[in-house]
This record gives sequence, structure tokens and C-alpha cells, in this order.
Amino acid sequence: GENVGLHLPTLSVQEGDNSIINCAYSNSASDYFIWYKQESGKGPQFIIDIRSNMDKRQGQRVTVLLNKTVKHLSLQIAATQPGDSAVYFCAESPQTNFGNEKLTFGTGTRLTIIP
Amino acid sequence: DSGVTQTPKHLITATGQRVTLRCSPRSGDLSVYWYQQSLDQGLQFLIQYYNGEERAKGNILERFSAQQFPDLHSELNLSSLELGDSALYFCASSVVDRPGNTIYFGEGSWLTVV
Repeated sequence: GENVGLHLPTLSVQEGDNSIINCAYSNSASDYFIWYKQESGKGPQFIIDIRSNMDKRQGQRVTVLLNKTVKHLSLQIAATQPGDSAVYFCAESPQTNFGNEKLTFGTGTRLTIIP
Repeated sequence: DSGVTQTPKHLITATGQRVTLRCSPRSGDLSVYWYQQSLDQGLQFLIQYYNGEERAKGNILERFSAQQFPDLHSELNLSSLELGDSALYFCASSVVDRPGNTIYFGEGSWLTVV
């Protein structure tokens, strides 16, 4: 079946460096992509999203890149801080008439920032 | 704080029992979603409600049911509990019912079945 997967389960980055978290998806009908951050004991927190009609979107210290040709999504975090340590999930949703009910999450990547 | 409130935060119960998890969506959000997060399954979509009506079903067991009330709060009922039902259950909400609306998650309800 369709799935969203992450290339790397763990990633360690030196504080201040940039990090890149990757995600592959297989559902060609995917229209909307989201990155969530989940800290220990907390719920997933929205970071940034992107629609399929875009290939790049920037937020505060974060950038999401979408390559529809190879069905690849990445999250770049600039100048990482200790508070960035968390598990990061990509999620995707196909274009539907009713909303985000088919939001499918990847397995997650644990990002550890080394002081 | 996402604005989505879930109770209880922690719950320990025995196999065969029934529990109810409660969720209050963000003010103004009409859609409510339930997700299950376990170590071996990741985040799995269970069910979605929009303005009181069931909108979509995911991997929800027949022993589980949910509803959304007129005041938009939602409850997830888990019955005949098994050890494997131990997980973190998240409620999430979004403002309107179309693709591209941000879904905000609550802090979750930890369910331990013993």
C-alpha cells in the first residue's frame, strides 16, 4: 500500500550546524505535506507545510523542499539549537474533497543536537 | 500549547475493561481526528469527525468507537481492552474541512492496559 517513509531513523548534529531530515513518499496523489516535531511526552507540533504546487517553502530557521519527480521531501533546520532535539515526522495527504482525513505519517527521525 | 485538550493524561486499566478518552478541539475547529501512537506502529490515523459527523475511518478496531458532540468535543471509546491497546492516543483538530488546513495535536492520553 501507499506509505510515507524516512531514510534515516536517527541523526546527530552539532549545535549551530544545519540539519537535513529526509522523507520519501510513494503516493503520487499526495497533495499536501507537513513536518511535525514531537518532543518526549508531548504531542506532535506543526512546523511547516507545503502544497504540491510548490517546491520550496521557508519558515523561521526551517525550510521544506519538495521534489515531486522523485517523491522526496526534506526539512532543513538552520543553526540548530538544543531545543531542536526531538523526533521529526513527515506526513502527507492526498488531494481530497473533505480535508486531511488521510494524513499519513512517516516513522519519524530522531534528531539529537550535540552541545 | 496547541489549544487541543485531552483527558485523562494517563490511564491504567485491566484487560477486558472499557475506557473513554475525551478531547476538546481548538476553539472554532470543526474537524476532530484521533490517532494512535505505539512503539511498533508509529502514528496511525483512527477516525475523523467533522461538525458532528463521521468523515473518515482509518485503522480503527471494531472494539473502538468515537463520536463528536454538538459542542464539538469528541470522545474515543475503547472496549474489551487488550494488552496491545496500550499506546498514546492523540486527538487533533483543524479549522475547516479542506486539504491544507493545519492539524493541531493535543498532548495525548497515555493508556496502559495491564
